[in-house]
This record gives sequence, C-alpha cells and structure tokens, in this order.
Amino acid sequence: GAVVSQHPSRVICKSGTSVKIECRSLDFQATTMFWYRQFPKQSLMLMATSNEGSKATYEQGVEKDKFLINHASLTLSTLTVTSAHPEDSSFYICSAPPLVPGQGASSYEQYFGPGTRLTVT
Amino acid sequence: AQKITQTQPGMFVQEKEAVTLDCTYDTSDQSYGLFWYKQPSSGEMIFLIYQGSYDEQNATEGRYSLNFQKARKSANLVISASQLGDSAMYFCAMREGPRTYKYIFGTGTRLKVLA
Repeated sequence: GAVVSQHPSRVICKSGTSVKIECRSLDFQATTMFWYRQFPKQSLMLMATSNEGSKATYEQGVEKDKFLINHASLTLSTLTVTSAHPEDSSFYICSAPPLVPGQGASSYEQYFGPGTRLTVT
Repeated sequence: AQKITQTQPGMFVQEKEAVTLDCTYDTSDQSYGLFWYKQPSSGEMIFLIYQGSYDEQNATEGRYSLNFQKARKSANLVISASQLGDSAMYFCAMREGPRTYKYIFGTGTRLKVLA
C-alpha cells in the first residue's frame, strides 16, 4: 500500500525558534498534500492544502506567516512553524492523496503520515 | 455546509462482542464519500472502511462493516468480535465535496475493549 512518512516523529524546541516538519510520499506522487493539527483528545483540524508548484491554501484562522508550507516536489511537502510558542505544541499530521483518483483502496482515499509531535518549551 | 457528528465520546465493549459506533452527516451533495479511520495511541491514522453515496450495498472489510442508511444520513461503524487491539480513537470523515480530497472529521469516539 501507499506510504507517507513524516520526519521528525517527535521534536522539542524552545520558544521563539522555528521547526520544520517534512512529509514525504514514498511510493507515489502527490500534487496535493494536506496538513492537519490535532490537540490532545480532539479531532483533526485541517490547517492547509499544500500544492506542488504553487502557493498553499490555508484554512480560515490559520496564520500563513506562522505556518509556512512549501511543496518542493511531487513527493515532498514541508511545514515550518516559525517563532514557535508553547501554544503551538500539538500533533501535526500530513496526508496525501494519490496523483490519480481511485488508485487507493477507494476513490479519493488519502494516505496519512504517522504524525509529528511538537513540544515547545 | 457539510458536517459530521459523532455523539459518543467514549464507548466500552466486552472482548469478542460487537460494537456500533455512530456517525451522522449532513450534506447537500448527491455524490459523497464516507470514511472511518482508527487512531491508536501511537497517533497514526489507519483507514478502515469506505462507503460511497451511490454504493448500493453496505461496505464490509473483515470485522468492520458500515451500516449505511442514506435516508437517515447515518454511517455507523460496526466492529464484530472485538479484540483488545481495537481499543483506540475512531473518526468518521466525509469528503467536503464531489471531487475533492479534503475531508471533514467528526469529533471521534474513544473505544475501550474490556478483557
């Protein structure tokens, strides 16, 4: 099956620093990737849609200058949390649909990365 | 606008018994897709089952089945013969539109399987 990886799996950083999270589709290409944020015991909230070769589309209320997204290639998207603060501590998950609809187990299925747990001290 | 509702924040089930996790949805689209994902404590999202709005039969995948009642806009997940490893968070999700990969998620149900 299709695999999406994320790196790092866990990161601790100091307040005011920036941290980059990578999302890679390992055995398929993805022109679109999604970034989610999940607070403890809560649901996944879509932050932004990463588009290869163009600017990311951010959901309402998400600061684009704080959460920088770059979709550098058909297999890599990065999320950079700039000037991180303790309230940015969360679980960040990316997902990627296959390039061609229907390649997954079902139409429009997404493949999720294992997530990155960010702790800002 | 589309909406997914999961009204059971937590559920308990005895090992080897069946359990139903509720999911209702709201959409004005004729074509839509519904998904169930399992999220264990490790955090990964595991795809369980999919139901398309035009699928005439309820989806099944091993011990998982989806009780799809279109008129009532419900898509309940049924897990048969529960196992201890089924203890996890379960999310119902729906595509935001007919030709989009964007999902909206329900608030989730935490399932605990008792030995």
